[in-house]
Amino acid sequence: QLQLQESGPGLVKPSETLSLTCTVSAGSVRNNNLFWGWIRQPPGKGLEWIGSISYTGSTYYNPTINSRVSISRDTSKNQFSLKLTSVTAADTAVYYCARHTAMTRTDYWGQGTLVTVSS
Amino acid sequence: QFDLTQPASVSESPGQSITISCTGTSSDVGAYNYVSWYQQHPGKAPQLIIYDVTNRPSGVSDRFTGSKSDNTASLTISGLRAEDEADYYCSSYATGDTVIFGGGTKLTVL
Repeated sequence: QLQLQESGPGLVKPSETLSLTCTVSAGSVRNNNLFWGWIRQPPGKGLEWIGSISYTGSTYYNPTINSRVSISRDTSKNQFSLKLTSVTAADTAVYYCARHTAMTRTDYWGQGTLVTVSS
Repeated sequence: QFDLTQPASVSESPGQSITISCTGTSSDVGAYNYVSWYQQHPGKAPQLIIYDVTNRPSGVSDRFTGSKSDNTASLTISGLRAEDEADYYCSSYATGDTVIFGGGTKLTVL
């Protein structure tokens, strides 16, 4: 059974960079037709897609935060990562890593990790 | 503000049916048959319950059905049970290789 696990700091200071890593188990980030992404959910609010990286390494980002986001992968460790720069309190959220099939559905989710932006 | 519009809340009695709407545009819901629906219980990660408008993943109850007409997709839950009480989110693939979500609908089973 595929498993995804987020890891990274739970507290980030304003204006700094949020960095998270997702470790994939029982699956490969290089499998054809699969995409690996990040979705966040501010406390008490809805879901927001941040971006995704494909099995070829191509990246796709939410246009509303495109300028601050970078997603990369390490195929040797079967991991993919998120960097979000210049964070503010509005970036406080539970961040989920997830698997998409062909960018059309999100069929596996990590348990989520709360990241708080505060000084 | 979210790209797809859902009612904030709905409620119905056990055993009854309910439909949740999800309205987009001709650049997302109306353009592609790539609408998916997710169920989220408090404190848990969302779970895929419908994909490609009408398909159910293995293990998802056939009480959940999806449909679409023009720019609006719908999720119908029949034979409501207490465990269906959750938040429901729609999502669509959109022009430009992006993914968009609705604001979510809180379902209360009275």
